Amino acid sequence: DQQVKQNSPSLSVQEGRISILNCDYTNSMFDYFLWYKKYPAEGPTFLISISSIKDKNEDGRFTVFLNKSAKHLSLHIVPSQPGDSAVYFCAARNRGGSNYKLTFGKGTLLTVNP
Amino acid sequence: GAGVSQSPSNKVTEKGKDVELRCDPISGHTALYWYRQRLGQGLEFLIYFQGNSAPDKSGLPSDRFSAERTGESVSTLTIQRTQQEDSAVYLCASSVLQGEKLFFGSGTQLSVL
Repeated sequence: DQQVKQNSPSLSVQEGRISILNCDYTNSMFDYFLWYKKYPAEGPTFLISISSIKDKNEDGRFTVFLNKSAKHLSLHIVPSQPGDSAVYFCAARNRGGSNYKLTFGKGTLLTVNP
Repeated sequence: GAGVSQSPSNKVTEKGKDVELRCDPISGHTALYWYRQRLGQGLEFLIYFQGNSAPDKSGLPSDRFSAERTGESVSTLTIQRTQQEDSAVYLCASSVLQGEKLFFGSGTQLSVL
């Protein structure tokens, strides 16, 4: 049972345009959401996060939007750069006793073409 | 150290052999986690350490898997009698406190032939 779903395995965009990566979740106990970026042969690195009490968080070119009623979040990258090409993982944390555990989606491979 | 260090980076073993994977977390990080990623899948939680204790081992796939942490530092993940389905990238992460932002190592690519 996948609690965090990234339905697009891959996305290709042109340099300078907007990249939108989507993530859906099913567990209403999730209270904190994170995006990680992963280059080949490296571990995932933290990109941006959002608490369930907010609907938007922005950091430079990266913005995460949270729609709790739809159990949906998205990561916007604008403008996209070739160096953004990587696998992006959406992750969610449980409210309460098991809040150390992150549940990850399968990832979306973003390719930014020059 | 500057980041989470894992060794070996690659391990090829024969089915039935035991393997030991090592993780050196960021100094001062009390929380340590093991995840694995099988081909085409997301990261799968295995085990969590707070200090040297493992309050949650629920993600370990079978009793062939075990892990320990000593000195609130280095952790080892041991897989006994490896099977082909154990082939995956094993990722270690640490954080200052539980539930905080995780810092991942580069992982150990385990291939069981």
